[in-house]
Amino acid sequence: SQQGEEDPQALSIQEGENATMNCSYKTSINNLQWYRQNSGRGLVHLILIRSNEREKHSGRLRVTLDTSKKSSSLLITASRAADTASYFCATDPGGTGGGNKLTFGTGTQLKVEL
Amino acid sequence: DTGVSQNPRHKITKRGQNVTFRCDPISEHNRLYWYRQTLGQGPEFLTYFQNEAQLEKSRLLSDRFSAERPKGSFSTLEIQRTEQGDSAMYLCASSFPGTGYGYTFGSGTRLTVV
Repeated sequence: SQQGEEDPQALSIQEGENATMNCSYKTSINNLQWYRQNSGRGLVHLILIRSNEREKHSGRLRVTLDTSKKSSSLLITASRAADTASYFCATDPGGTGGGNKLTFGTGTQLKVEL
Repeated sequence: DTGVSQNPRHKITKRGQNVTFRCDPISEHNRLYWYRQTLGQGPEFLTYFQNEAQLEKSRLLSDRFSAERPKGSFSTLEIQRTEQGDSAMYLCASSFPGTGYGYTFGSGTRLTVV
């Protein structure tokens, strides 16, 4: 079953614009991660934010986490055509019981047009 | 180490046949995960190993599915008596918990059951 839902399901923007994707989840987490998937390929880890962090940056990526609302957002600034991909959030419950087993959301398909 | 390797990349099989997929994780990673992904959906957890021990299996993993990780190195996922509903991308990932680097995924094996 899917833990999270991404919003929007699809997003189309022009190169140079910013892209914002949102993720909502249901249970408590140790950390939340974002992954990118190009068509027909495996997933690539982008960034991890721990439950005690509120914001994190990596290059053109900015992630926020609001554990009180059980939501996260991924912002890609100055988008490029190469950013065209599906983006997934994944939650990690942590601890020995959770096994660091990630539960993925349904994904946002981002298309960046020239 | 060049990452997580999965073989074969594509497999077409007739309904009722058995198939086996292989995953070679990053050698330093003690956790290995199998996920299944259908079109337009996020990856769904199937099972995971810590070293050679299989610690959890999803309810999605019927008795036709079996996974092994002998000696805590590579892993195999076997599907017996394949059904059309088994058609999906099978993804393998490995990790070393606590590093903050998330999962490293392979490129996946796309299974088509005809």
